[in-house]
Formats: sequence, structure tokens, C-alpha cells
Amino acid sequence: QQQVKQSPQSLIVQKGGIPIINCAYENTAFDYFPWYQQFPGKGPALLIAIRPDVSEKKEGRFTISFNKSAKQFSLHIMDSQPGDSATYFCAASRTGGGNKLTFGTGTQLKVEL
Amino acid sequence: DTGVSQNPRHKITKRGQNVTFRCDPISEHNRLYWYRQTLGQGPEFLTYFQNEAQLEKSRLLSDRFSAERPKGSFSTLEIQRTEQGDSAMYLCASSFTGQNNYGYTFGSGTRLTVV
Repeated sequence: QQQVKQSPQSLIVQKGGIPIINCAYENTAFDYFPWYQQFPGKGPALLIAIRPDVSEKKEGRFTISFNKSAKQFSLHIMDSQPGDSATYFCAASRTGGGNKLTFGTGTQLKVEL
Repeated sequence: DTGVSQNPRHKITKRGQNVTFRCDPISEHNRLYWYRQTLGQGPEFLTYFQNEAQLEKSRLLSDRFSAERPKGSFSTLEIQRTEQGDSAMYLCASSFTGQNNYGYTFGSGTRLTVV
């Protein structure tokens, strides 16, 4: 059972564009929603995270939008750069669940010059 | 040492052999997690420790898999009688509880290829 669905599977944008990656979850007990960035041959690195008590969080060029009623959240990358080309994973966890993360299937982003 | 260290980075083994991976977490982190990642997929939870206690194991962790964290420091993940389906990236992560910070730090993983 896939508890976190992520789309699109891949995305190509021009430099300066704003790629948007979407995730939907099923388990209403989830209360922590991070995004991870992964480069080839490396482990995932925490990018930004949000809790359901806010609808938006911004850190630098990265913004999470959160819609609790729809059980959806998304990542926006402002002014995207070629260095942002990587695979992005959304994830979710719940308090008391040992902080185990349930990951989406990933989005491969390519930012072209 | 500012990160999570995993060794070896790559391991090629023949089917049926046993393999062991090591993870050295960030020293002040009391939680340690193992995940498995196959090509084109997100990481999947295998097991986690709080200090030296193994608190949860996923159904993915068959009886051929065993993990330890002696003295609450480094951890090892052993796979006995490896199968081709065990080929994957095995990721270790650590975190600190006791404050409102759920952020993990992942290592670079051990890529296992079973031939």
C-alpha cells in the first residue's frame, strides 16, 4: 500500500523556471512532511519540512505548500538552477511512530540552461 | 566527523553469501535507522534503534536480515544467504530525539549487488 503518492515522475524546466512537485498522503495521523533532495551516488538530504499547522513554509528558493483538507502538499523551487537537477522525494511521518519516514517514489528534475 | 558514515560504499557478492554493512552515525544522535532503496524508488524503512535498543522492524526485514547497535554507537546490518532481490542501496540515517527536530541525516549508502 503506497501511503504517499508523488507526481510527476520526471520534470524538465528551463533555468529560472518554477518546477512544482506534488504529493498526496492517505494516513491522517501523519504530522510531519519533509522534502529530500538526492544526487546520484549520495544519500537523501533534508531540504525543507512542514507541519500541518501551517499552510506554507519558505526557506530560500524552496517553498512547501500544504493543504490539510485535501491531504496534499507540494514543493516549489523558485528561480531554478542547473545545480538543482536531482531527484526529489516527499515523505511523511507521525509523532509516536519512531519518526519512521514513508517516502514517495521520487521526481527526477532536470533544469536546462 | 560531521556526517553519517557507511562502509563499504559498494559490495558485490555471489548469491548465497553473507554480507555485513557498517554505519557510524553522528556521535550525539541517539536514533539510528536503516532504509533500503531500489532503483527508481524512494527509500523504504527497515528498522531503527534508540540507543542500543532495536525498537521496530519492518515486514521487509526477513529472518535473513539482522541488525545490531552495540553500546548505542555504530550499527551493523547483516544479510545472510543473499538473494538477487537483495540488490539495492542500503541507507543509514541518524537523528536526535528530545527536541522538536525530526530531521534525519542520511549517509551515502552501501550499494549491494548480488550476482
